Amino acid sequence: DIQMTQSPSSLSASVGDRVTITCRASQTISSYLHWYQQKPGKAPKLLIYAASILQSGVPSRFSGNRSGTDFTLTISSLQPEDFATYYCQQTYITPRTFGQGTKVEIK
Amino acid sequence: QVQLVESGGGMVKPGGSLRLSCAASGFTFSDYYMGWIRQAPGKGLEWVSYISSTSTTINYADSVYADSVRGRFAISRDNAKNSLYLQMNSLRAEDTAVYYCAREGRGYSSMDVWGQGTTVTVSS
Repeated sequence: DIQMTQSPSSLSASVGDRVTITCRASQTISSYLHWYQQKPGKAPKLLIYAASILQSGVPSRFSGNRSGTDFTLTISSLQPEDFATYYCQQTYITPRTFGQGTKVEIK
Repeated sequence: QVQLVESGGGMVKPGGSLRLSCAASGFTFSDYYMGWIRQAPGKGLEWVSYISSTSTTINYADSVYADSVRGRFAISRDNAKNSLYLQMNSLRAEDTAVYYCAREGRGYSSMDVWGQGTTVTVSS
């Protein structure tokens, strides 16, 4: 199975901060990497697919990048509604594994 | 609008069975792969299974299940009814979770539409 390692597992940040979350795959996954946002008691929401393509309706402050097997999700200016848990997922092969999540909290 | 609605969750004893359903609307269901993802209380997301757009049954030997459920769970769909199912047998305490159905979109099999989830509790 492909292991997806997210870092950090949690972070504290202030409104307006630039935030970067990293996801590393244990082997090549091409660009089959996606980012989801989940708020407490809610279903996950797709933010970015194929490593860097913004899902329709998602604010442009979210961006994704790929460098080999390392992927990043960046929030350019954190907004109050962005405090949530973020997950990466690979769909290159089955099982379609998720990272363990990164909780973004208010500082 | 595009929507997925899960049902069928509940409390069951270890060793018991449940069948989850997911009703789709607002899109051409038969055009999309579909999947199940679960989330144990206070834990992260765990991919469970997926099914192709036209498949109606999946053999246990196919690699479309997580190791943790292979041989116990079976995914199926009825395109005429716009419905996805997950038959869960030999349930264990560690299967306790919120179960989400989700649509695999056009973008590299990302999951672009999610249901609200249905809760399964396995306890004696």
